[in-house]
Amino acid sequence: EVQLLDSGGGLVQSGESLRLSCVASGFTLSRYAMSWVRQAPGKGLEWVSAISGSVINTYYADSVKGRFTISRDSSKNTLYLVMNNLRAEDTAVYYCAKVFDSGPPTITIFGVVYPRIAPFDYWGQGTLVTVSS
Amino acid sequence: DIQMTQSPSTLSASVGDRVTITCRASQSFSNWLAWYQQKPGKAPKLLIYQASSLVGGVPSRFSGSGSGTEFTLTISSLQPDDFATYYCQQYSSYSTFGQGTKVEIK
Repeated sequence: EVQLLDSGGGLVQSGESLRLSCVASGFTLSRYAMSWVRQAPGKGLEWVSAISGSVINTYYADSVKGRFTISRDSSKNTLYLVMNNLRAEDTAVYYCAKVFDSGPPTITIFGVVYPRIAPFDYWGQGTLVTVSS
Repeated sequence: DIQMTQSPSTLSASVGDRVTITCRASQSFSNWLAWYQQKPGKAPKLLIYQASSLVGGVPSRFSGSGSGTEFTLTISSLQPDDFATYYCQQYSSYSTFGQGTKVEIK
């Protein structure tokens, strides 16, 4: 059975750092693109970052580029998100999510090739990050 | 970046109603669109991918259609378990979600 277990959230001050973890079971994490998605209190979903499956490429939303780093440890079947220089607007529940294994690995739009990083068929339970200013 | 706009933001309906939610994209991207259902305190659940393909185990009262810039999610006969918030997601260039549509009891 596929399971994702998020952890690492907590209360931090603005400017501080935090590392989130997502332990995967029931599948080999390195074979699939994985993402972090966040949801601010009472708000909608926002894709944050992704890491590709076979070849390690990483992708970030503009709102976190340069501050967040996604990575994985294949030996631990674990996905990470290191968040530096946290801001009040980063306050949210953070979910890790696995790409649904149906569809091509890349998508070409107007001649530009993008990795297919979604949709997401399995999600973690979420971990709350609160950044106090 | 591709922006996704859902309408309506809130929808009041009764059990048995036919419900339609629309998602419009700021630029065309074929059919790389998914729909999710989210209940309070829970992670989202994937319902439909590639605009119209139903995920296994999802009731057939859910259907999706559209291509290019306009997409719809239809629930043919609303059931008590369907009161939730629904999100569209484009995944043609990275990923963007719509702002959500809350389906509430009328």
